[in-house]
Amino acid sequence: RKEVEQDPGPFNVPEGATVAFNCTYSNSASQSFFWYRQDCRKEPKLLMSVYSSGNEDGRFTAQLNRASQYISLLIRDSKLSDSATYLCVVNPGGGATNKLIFGTGTLLAVQP
Amino acid sequence: SAVISQKPSRDICQRGTSLTIQCQVDSQVTMMFWYRQQPGQSLTLIATANQGSEATYESGFVIDKFPISRPNLTFSTLTVSNMSPEDSSIYLCSVRLAGDTQYFGPGTRLTVL
Repeated sequence: RKEVEQDPGPFNVPEGATVAFNCTYSNSASQSFFWYRQDCRKEPKLLMSVYSSGNEDGRFTAQLNRASQYISLLIRDSKLSDSATYLCVVNPGGGATNKLIFGTGTLLAVQP
Repeated sequence: SAVISQKPSRDICQRGTSLTIQCQVDSQVTMMFWYRQQPGQSLTLIATANQGSEATYESGFVIDKFPISRPNLTFSTLTVSNMSPEDSSIYLCSVRLAGDTQYFGPGTRLTVL
């Protein structure tokens, strides 16, 4: 089983749609969680951290379910500029506190 | 965040040669890392670049193949040695600032013929 698993997509959605991405992680001791965004041929950029209580940043909402080892990202009112690959990222903690484990990413294509 | 630059941005190299990639940060940072992103795949950590001591390599990566230097808190280099086509990849440096958050350089796109 992969340490971080994501649906690779692609998700093709019209502008204005709401889309949700899911991610599961295998290490129950994982300490921290993030969503990164990667545009084509660019470096990953931090979109948001994911907190236990869930958190929102504008049109983006992140949720964490530790019991199910599950992270989600919800994008409301999709824009064309949201088209990118969304990477689920986990810090496994333990003795590897510096290490980040990246999912393979979910590709989102927002259509006009 | 930090401003991170990498040189070169891309290169095409012959097999058997070596390439050194530079990473420069605009502020002093304790933690710097080198990642690889192979075509169509996600990022894999190669090593943690430690200032003043040897880098800490992840499973599957060795110093002879990927020597790393970290002479100070703003600069690091990664060398890809004795390259083969399988080394064709994007190589990214990253820095850790507050908490666990990491910020990435723009990457070096390497093609080995």
